[in-house]
Amino acid sequence: AQSVTQLGSHVSVSEGALVLLRCNYSSSVPPYLFWYVQYPNQGLQLLLKYTTGATLVKGINGFEAEFKKSETSFHLTKPSAHMSDAAEYFCAVTGSGYSTLTFGKGTMLLVSP
Amino acid sequence: EAGVAQSPRYKIIEKRQSVAFWCNPISGHATLYWYQQILGQGPKLLIQFQNNGVVDDSQLPKDRFSAERLKGVDSTLKIQPAKLEDSAVYLCASRTFGLNQETQYFGPGTRLLVL
Repeated sequence: AQSVTQLGSHVSVSEGALVLLRCNYSSSVPPYLFWYVQYPNQGLQLLLKYTTGATLVKGINGFEAEFKKSETSFHLTKPSAHMSDAAEYFCAVTGSGYSTLTFGKGTMLLVSP
Repeated sequence: EAGVAQSPRYKIIEKRQSVAFWCNPISGHATLYWYQQILGQGPKLLIQFQNNGVVDDSQLPKDRFSAERLKGVDSTLKIQPAKLEDSAVYLCASRTFGLNQETQYFGPGTRLLVL
């Protein structure tokens, strides 16, 4: 069984500030981890993913995340927030093969000028 | 490459009515998923198809929900009869088959409101 916990349903930052969105997972098998972004009235877009190999993964729009097995975490960061980053962000976990994605409840990122 | 297509984008119905959603996955993607996303929550898997066979429908409320993917391409999700708690966004996603092809690609979703 797998589960995802995203700390904070809402995170507010100022434009130019560091973005940190937290994700902790639970998995009985080696996990594959994903971050998706959802803009209003749109579907989910993949930001980045970790499967195997390098634990620091870089994604689109300047985002990156680090897989820390000892902490069962996969936090999402961006050095400098932009107004266009305002959206809802979902962390998800799956195993390999036909395993399904299990999503967290999401974190709404608010960016103020 | 065209993305996952869904229709309609919005639907308003009264409780006890029936409704159907359509999904066309990315060309060549053998695996297709239907998710339900209730406001304020992450998507929850309803059903997963591999080609035209069901892989996982353990969370599909089978007394009112049904889904099919007859030719292994397009898929239809139906609700009959609808309840108020079915108000949600229904997302379709697809994935290609094989090693290292774990990314699911999502459509824009169908937003359902049951009155």
